[in-house]
Amino acid sequence: SQKIEQNSEALNIQEGKTATLTCNYTNYSPAYLQWYRQDPGRGPVFLLLIRENEKEKRKERLKVTFDTTLKQSLFHITASQPADSATYLCAPGDKLIFGTGTRLQV
Amino acid sequence: NAGVTQTPKFRVLKTGQSMTLLCAQDMNHEYMYWYRQDPGMGLRLIHYSVGEGTTAKGEVPDGYNVSRLKKQNFLLGLESAAPSQTSVYFCASSYSATRGSGEAFFGQGTRLTVV
Repeated sequence: SQKIEQNSEALNIQEGKTATLTCNYTNYSPAYLQWYRQDPGRGPVFLLLIRENEKEKRKERLKVTFDTTLKQSLFHITASQPADSATYLCAPGDKLIFGTGTRLQV
Repeated sequence: NAGVTQTPKFRVLKTGQSMTLLCAQDMNHEYMYWYRQDPGMGLRLIHYSVGEGTTAKGEVPDGYNVSRLKKQNFLLGLESAAPSQTSVYFCASSYSATRGSGEAFFGQGTRLTVV
């Protein structure tokens, strides 16, 4: 069965630095991968979708890469701010099954 | 636009009781999903639907049933509630990422306690 792994430990980062979050998946080959942000007590909010033919995608301070050979996506937030503190979730493929998420604290 | 609306927002059930959670979306989305989220854990997919009249099992379907009789509504049923079903339930809807943006919109959540 498909498996999605994200850093289970919380990531603490200094304001102004770049945060890098990892999403690894196994046992399938998704045509795209999505990243979401979730704040406590609220539903996730969509951030970015990257397709298999795109190596990199950017949106303001966010950058996502998608390596279909490594079966991995990296999510970067540059110039981190305290308002970026949240849990970040990845979801490879069309069933919208999420990884456990990585909690980022800036 | 209301987006995705879940009803009710809170509910307390006794063990063995039944209930239905309603998810309504006004964006004409094909796909709809039901999740549960337990404290400190990620979202787990219960059931999903890729169109009116179709449903499919997700990661944790046992103890739940769903129906999608109308495109805008996705119902989640608990036939005989158990304390293990105490959780926060989220509904979401989206267009297919194959033909559209794939962006999913989530409801505000339903906090269910089974005693």
